[in-house]
Amino acid sequence: GQQLNQSPQSMFIQEGEDVSMNCTSSSIFNTWLWYKQDPGEGPVLLIALYKAGELTSNGRLTAQFGITRKDSFLNISASIPSDVGIYFCAGQPTGNQFYFGTGTSLTVIP
Amino acid sequence: DGGITQSPKYLFRKEGQNVTLSCEQNLNHDAMYWYRQDPGQGLRLIYYSQIVNDFQKGDIAEGYSVSREKKESFPLTVTSAQKNPTAFYLCASSSGIHTEAFFGQGTRLTVV
Repeated sequence: GQQLNQSPQSMFIQEGEDVSMNCTSSSIFNTWLWYKQDPGEGPVLLIALYKAGELTSNGRLTAQFGITRKDSFLNISASIPSDVGIYFCAGQPTGNQFYFGTGTSLTVIP
Repeated sequence: DGGITQSPKYLFRKEGQNVTLSCEQNLNHDAMYWYRQDPGQGLRLIYYSQIVNDFQKGDIAEGYSVSREKKESFPLTVTSAQKNPTAFYLCASSSGIHTEAFFGQGTRLTVV
């Protein structure tokens, strides 16, 4: 299957700091999704992106669909303790299934 | 409430036994999926179904079987042929194969 490289693998930040993470693929994708997963729970959809260059916000979260269509970025501003969790990107090539990254584990230190 | 329900939350089985995980959705979604998640790894697709009575293998289908007799239900059977069945299993659904998927709460299967 497709390989999605998600980085960083883990982050430890102070409350109030901004966070950036990204996902890259070797193939062109038509759709990028970002999910958050709490321990022992299913992933929850945060943002969906459908066009190259698209920039979409959801509260303190902002995600972008890269111009090359091979990458996507997620930013979290002014982090708070409840942002703790694992963030996954997912991408879909043309007419195909979604492929998931390996996740970024976020720890917010109060 | 609309959503995806997986049951049970925790499941324990002895090695060599088949076990079936339940997934029900009331979102009227056409597509349903089963993923496996291992510690420190992303989600890997086991099987997916775009319509009733049709399903396709994902990347790691060996040792698993599914059925899609009703639109709202997509049960997964972990057979004794699956060499390493202990994992967290996630069911998801979407309105179509090209749209974003919504996940259930997951079932943690432990085989002893």
